[in-house]
Amino acid sequence: DAGVTQSPTHLIKTRGQQVTLRCSPISGHKSVSWYQQVLGQGPQFIFQYYEKEERGRGNFPDRFSARQFPNYSSELNVNALLLGDSALYLCASSSRQGLNQPQHFGDGTRLSIL
Amino acid sequence: AQSVTQLGSHVSVSEGALVLLRCNYSSSVPPYLFWYVQYPNQGLQLLLKYTSAATLVKGINGFEAEFKKSETSFHLTKPSAHMSDAAEYFCAVNTGNQFYFGTGTSLTVIP
Repeated sequence: DAGVTQSPTHLIKTRGQQVTLRCSPISGHKSVSWYQQVLGQGPQFIFQYYEKEERGRGNFPDRFSARQFPNYSSELNVNALLLGDSALYLCASSSRQGLNQPQHFGDGTRLSIL
Repeated sequence: AQSVTQLGSHVSVSEGALVLLRCNYSSSVPPYLFWYVQYPNQGLQLLLKYTSAATLVKGINGFEAEFKKSETSFHLTKPSAHMSDAAEYFCAVNTGNQFYFGTGTSLTVIP
């Protein structure tokens, strides 16, 4: 079975632009979480979605938003990009709602802001 | 606030030597604790998870971790390091609807 897939793998944007990142969970997984990993740091939790509803939110500004579709895939949107948004964005899926469940990570989208 | 602290951003061990990666957590309630490993240019892979069923947790690839409530620690160990263990290791904690990773420890294995 395919693992968690993220697209695109790399992306270059300029300040002020908007970006949409996509994630397809493992088949049968209904929970998707998003993380931001700045170079040299640990991932930071952004959102968790389960059954198309937001179930958890980290300490990120409103420029960050996400949604989950009926097929459980998810999009992360970031508006008004800043240089500090340059990072690896990771998506993880799990079979159940809670963040205490084992999460399966994709390889991430590398976002560079110029 | 809940958080995890990983002591030592870089650890080097010789091949065959004991691996010890340190993690301390702060939590006002019993947490769920995890260790994840990240290889270059990849996502994270779960090594093991503590759920209060047992204080000594065995994971994949010969790793294990011991939960010590009195010390608020969850250190990761492996008796004998292998070259393939070279990677970044992250301790993480979940409480409620929040999830926190530590800053990571880079493990180098010297042949």
